[in-house]
Amino acid sequence: NAGVTQTPKFQVLKTGQSMTLQCAQDMNHEYMSWYRQDPGMGLRLIHYSVGAGITDQGEVPNGYNVSRSTTEDFPLRLLSAAPSQTSVYFCASSYRSTGASSGANVLTFGAGSRLTVL
Amino acid sequence: ILNVEQSPQSLHVQEGDSTNFTCSFPSSNFYALHWYRWETAKSPEALFVMTLNGDEKKKGRISATLNTKEGYSYLYIKGSQPEDSATYLCACRDTGRRALTFGSGTRLQVQP
Repeated sequence: NAGVTQTPKFQVLKTGQSMTLQCAQDMNHEYMSWYRQDPGMGLRLIHYSVGAGITDQGEVPNGYNVSRSTTEDFPLRLLSAAPSQTSVYFCASSYRSTGASSGANVLTFGAGSRLTVL
Repeated sequence: ILNVEQSPQSLHVQEGDSTNFTCSFPSSNFYALHWYRWETAKSPEALFVMTLNGDEKKKGRISATLNTKEGYSYLYIKGSQPEDSATYLCACRDTGRRALTFGSGTRLQVQP
């Protein structure tokens, strides 16, 4: 099993360019999410999805779009890159909760994508 | 947005010391609390998931407790080793939204 695969690992963009960070998982996880990691701020949730065709906003969604057309893939699109989007991005996935008694689901993280916007 | 706070921000201990960190979260509408270990240049890896008040989990020298009524969790490391050096993240989920909110982490450095 590959787990959660993120591409690219590194990317440099100019302000105003657009790009897509790819995330794919082969564990049949229904839940997928994108976080960004900035120094001193931990992981902040950008967008998440509880299944194909369903997405929702996290804490810092502005400037990012997502879609979930398949269970396996959850791409993150930067529409017009800004220097404030310089960060390390992590995709994470988990099984879907079956109810409160089953507990929440452990996240499996990708290796991260380091993005620099000049 | 949940307010999840961790303290201290960083910690330096000597090999063999025992240590603990705190994670605070809103006690209302609590659903679950996760702890992750994050080594430099790697991805976060799950340590524990706890859902019930009074839960205690243990993995080797690392253990965690949960108090949902007062909104805190402790992570303990007994006899710290240099390989325990990492950032320890807690994350909380409430009943309102199926998403984890992370704290900013506690960075532990264990000196040989």
